[in-house]
Amino acid sequence: NAGVTQTPKFQVLKTGQSMTLQCAQDMNHEYMSWYRQDPGMGLRLIHYSVGAGITDQGEVPNGYNVSRSTTEDFPLRLLSAAPSQTSVYFCASSLGLGVTGELFFGEGSRLTVL
Amino acid sequence: GENVGLHLPTLSVQEGDNSIINCAYSNSASDYFIWYKQESGKGPQFIIDIRSNMDKRQGQRVTVLLNKTVKHLSLQIAATQPGDSAVYFCAENRRGNRDDKIIFGKGTRLHILP
Repeated sequence: NAGVTQTPKFQVLKTGQSMTLQCAQDMNHEYMSWYRQDPGMGLRLIHYSVGAGITDQGEVPNGYNVSRSTTEDFPLRLLSAAPSQTSVYFCASSLGLGVTGELFFGEGSRLTVL
Repeated sequence: GENVGLHLPTLSVQEGDNSIINCAYSNSASDYFIWYKQESGKGPQFIIDIRSNMDKRQGQRVTVLLNKTVKHLSLQIAATQPGDSAVYFCAENRRGNRDDKIIFGKGTRLHILP
């Protein structure tokens, strides 16, 4: 079982560049989400989706876009990277929060913006 | 503002002793809480959850206590082992107008002393 797969694991960008962090899950989970983790800040929710075609903003959505065209995939787009977006990004999925709060996390993507 | 937070950023415990990690929340509408464990270099992993109609739930070597009166929950780990060394996060299922989302606290790092 692959679970939640994130790519790339590491990325270095220059300010103003764009990129997409990929997230895929093979567990047929309806709920998917993106978090960023910074030292001393815990995990902060960026965007989430309760099913294909539905997305919503979390705590820190500015500077990020998402889409959910399929149940399996939930890419996170940085349109114009800024140094403040240097962080470790985690994708997570769940059967659905009405069922369980158990999130399954990917291994993380470490992004550095110069 | 409303938040889920931790009382202590770091906790050191002797191997074999019991550990108690505390968490305070402020959103009185939250009715479901989860504890996660994050080992170095990995994504968080689900430990145990509790709904607001309960005040105690036990798992294997772990117990979660919920006190809704003072908006406090705790995670107790019995007979702490070296493998328990990690950062522990409490999280809440925050209800929105349209759907729910999981919001994390800042975390407590648990150090195990030999």
